[in-house]
Amino acid sequence: GQQVMQIPQYQHVQEGEDFTTYCNSSTTLSNIQWYKQRPGGHPVFLIQLVKSGEVKKQKRLTFQFGEAKKNSSLHITATQTTDVGTYFCVANAGGTSYGKLTFGQGTILTVHP
Amino acid sequence: NAGVMQNPRHLVRRRGQEARLRCSPMKGHSHVYWYRQLPEEGLKFMVYLQKENIIDESGMPKERFSAEFPKEGPSILRIQQVVRGDSAAYFCASSPRGQGSEQYFGPGTRLTVT
Repeated sequence: GQQVMQIPQYQHVQEGEDFTTYCNSSTTLSNIQWYKQRPGGHPVFLIQLVKSGEVKKQKRLTFQFGEAKKNSSLHITATQTTDVGTYFCVANAGGTSYGKLTFGQGTILTVHP
Repeated sequence: NAGVMQNPRHLVRRRGQEARLRCSPMKGHSHVYWYRQLPEEGLKFMVYLQKENIIDESGMPKERFSAEFPKEGPSILRIQQVVRGDSAAYFCASSPRGQGSEQYFGPGTRLTVT
């Protein structure tokens, strides 16, 4: 079955430093989504990437989808304490998967003030 | 527009009892997904339902677990004869379209089996 690897598992940064998490799939994807989950909270949809090589920005967050549509990254510039949480990439293989999404293990981000 | 509703938020059951978790999707959403999350782990897909139909239950344990999404009313995830290993957070999500579109999550039900 489809596997999604996300690294690193944990990341500790000082406030103001940058942060990047990477997601790699064993198969070519139809699209990839990113979610954020605050401690004790529920996942919240951030963005969906569909096109090969796509880059999208949301304020300090930059999302990229690889040319081969098998990997993706999320980069946060100048982290703030409000960025604390777990960031999940979520892979959609499409086709006959009927919308089933495969969650990566997540990267737990800690931001020290 | 109310978000995805789940109840109860916290549920304590003794081993052998039944747990029934409810999920009301966002208005206009006919696709519902259930996930299980263990502490500091990712979400594990359990089942995908569309009104009155189970589309994909490949993540559901073969025994004791069942799910439904009736024509009227919320989606229900039922766990019979709970065991300690069933203790986890169970999240429901809904989407306006299937085919891997973005999902909106409820606050989750934290199940504790004593």
